[in-house]
Amino acid sequence: GAGVSQSPSNKVTEKGKDVELRCDPISGHTALYWYRQRLGQGLEFLIYFQGNSAPDKSGLPSDRFSAERTGESVSTLTIQRTQQEDSAVYLCASSNIASGFTYEQYFGPGTRLTVT
Amino acid sequence: GENVEQHPSTLSVQEGDSAVIKCTYSDSASNYFPWYKQELGKGPQLIIDIRSNVGEKKDQRIAVTLNKTAKHFSLHITETQPEDSAVYFCAATGNTPLVFGKGTRLSVIA
Repeated sequence: GAGVSQSPSNKVTEKGKDVELRCDPISGHTALYWYRQRLGQGLEFLIYFQGNSAPDKSGLPSDRFSAERTGESVSTLTIQRTQQEDSAVYLCASSNIASGFTYEQYFGPGTRLTVT
Repeated sequence: GENVEQHPSTLSVQEGDSAVIKCTYSDSASNYFPWYKQELGKGPQLIIDIRSNVGEKKDQRIAVTLNKTAKHFSLHITETQPEDSAVYFCAATGNTPLVFGKGTRLSVIA
């Protein structure tokens, strides 16, 4: 079946503009995660959605970052008033879990964001 | 919270040799330890994982070992091939989001 998809694959924006990044998880996966990966670095957790529960926003770096998810499908990560330090690859992952986080996460190809 | 350390940051091996990447974690409550392979321009791909109720797991040329007492786990790749060249990430979790190591860039020299 189809994997996790993300769009756009690349986004170049000017400093101060808002951007929206989209993630389509694997069908039937109840959990969805956003991560940020700066060049040559590891993955930094941003936000987690599980079913109808309140999202875990503990990783969001500032109030310029927000995310929404419609039911158990598409999620959108929004970055307002982008800064150059926001330049990174934004990765989305989904998993099918009964409880907790301890199930396999499958990643999309990422969106490479460049803020000029 | 959980903290994962990964070593080495870079590793070069001759084709056919073995490669070992090691990770340590800090939270004794962690019970799931996946390994991901990330090729250039792609998202991480899960290659193997281990849960806290076992000490070793093997899948063809890849194996993972876990020492819960010492809080460390390792990835072993045998008979390395050029296509094994990539960045490898370890991660750990108990009931929190995955916490990743900083990655190991593996280069297999033909």
